[in-house]
Amino acid sequence: QSVLTQPPSVSGAPGQRVTISCTGSSSNIGAGYDVHWYQQLPGTAPKLLIYGNSNRPSGVPDRFSASKSGTSASLAITGLQAEDEADYYCQSYDSSLSGPLFGGGTKLTVL
Amino acid sequence: QVQLQESGPGLVKPSQTLSLTCTVSGGSISSGGYFWSWIRQHPGKGLEWIGYIYYSGSTYNNPSLKSRPTISVDTSKNQFSLKLSSVTAADTAVYYCARVSGRGNPYDWYFDLWGRGSLVTVSS
Repeated sequence: QSVLTQPPSVSGAPGQRVTISCTGSSSNIGAGYDVHWYQQLPGTAPKLLIYGNSNRPSGVPDRFSASKSGTSASLAITGLQAEDEADYYCQSYDSSLSGPLFGGGTKLTVL
Repeated sequence: QVQLQESGPGLVKPSQTLSLTCTVSGGSISSGGYFWSWIRQHPGKGLEWIGYIYYSGSTYNNPSLKSRPTISVDTSKNQFSLKLSSVTAADTAVYYCARVSGRGNPYDWYFDLWGRGSLVTVSS
């Protein structure tokens, strides 16, 4: 079964930088498919955070950035703020699924 | 701006069919350029793609759900719908409708607008 693996949780103090990894395989990220990231604040729907590996939609602060290399991708958040506390999901296309696949999600705690 | 809103029963009995509708406001489904999708989230868990539909009626479904999902579109009402047959407790989840964006092929698609979600519980 295809999976995108994310750490269950990460944490950081206000002002710090944190990164969230997303590890895939040759049927998804490693095949060259784009990676996208979503932020889900508590009790709300997911919101698009990054698309096309590293592009921010209008309104997303430049504190959020992302990159992709090989079979992995990562999301970086700098200048951590309390409002960043949320679940973060990566997503890519998977050729085994013939559709989009989400990572398991990472809970970010701002200490 | 475009907004999406899910509606439908919050409780469905096992073996019955789950039915949800997504109403799109602020834009027309039939203007083209976008696919529309259903995604679900089991309680406390991650996200699972269910399927896509285009205004023309073309659909792609998650093969892991076998033939249980049926996604349809009603352009006259600017709505698209999900029916999931033979539900069990494992289908209890928050169901989201979403707009799909990206370049021409599905490999790069992503979900740029989401509804607020609709909790559906499967229980007798």
